[in-house]
Amino acid sequence: ILNVEQSPQSLHVQEGDSTNFTCSFPSSNFYALHWYRWETAKSPEALFVMTLNGDEKKKGRISATLNTKEGYSYLYIKGSQPEDSATYLCAFKGGGNKLTFGTGTQLKVEL
Amino acid sequence: DTAVSQTPKYLVTQMGNDKSIKCEQNLGHDTMYWYKQDSKKFLKIMFSYNNKELIINETVPNRFSPKSPDKAHLNLHINSLELGDSAVYFCASSPGWQGVRDTQYFGPGTRLTVL
Repeated sequence: ILNVEQSPQSLHVQEGDSTNFTCSFPSSNFYALHWYRWETAKSPEALFVMTLNGDEKKKGRISATLNTKEGYSYLYIKGSQPEDSATYLCAFKGGGNKLTFGTGTQLKVEL
Repeated sequence: DTAVSQTPKYLVTQMGNDKSIKCEQNLGHDTMYWYKQDSKKFLKIMFSYNNKELIINETVPNRFSPKSPDKAHLNLHINSLELGDSAVYFCASSPGWQGVRDTQYFGPGTRLTVL
């Protein structure tokens, strides 16, 4: 059983705050790490796919880093806005070609 | 135009019934998936098909049977529904299944309630 863990489970921040959360995954047999954004009552939407150790991806105010040797990825949001409120999921792709999802970090940005 | 669609969106049924959930994608993808979101909001893979062939078959009761009439459709049939089958079921598709960058695109989910 693959362990993909995300922390914290939930997070409340004020508008304008910067925040970050963690995804931990197996450091062996690594193929890719996916990040998804999941708004309430909608479907998960892909943010990033990361494959190389040291990879950094950026999309607007959201960025992510990857450390495959130690098995973690960080997602950063700069200057959080209420529309950033969502659950952020990471998913590990190993040799089995399937995605194993973490349980997500639920972010709420308050005015 | 919806990329990955599922029908129905809500399904309420009695224990013991047989029901189907349909999924269609218009992205031209080769690979489709069924996930179950459990009570802890965890997305768990159930099945995956690539070009109508089963490639992932996780440990699910054999009351669940996927059917892929063509690569744009993957339906989920559930026999003898049980209370524990109540969950949200998500369909997804991706360009392929072996590429490390194959992003999955999700449907809106079907909330199944078994009474």
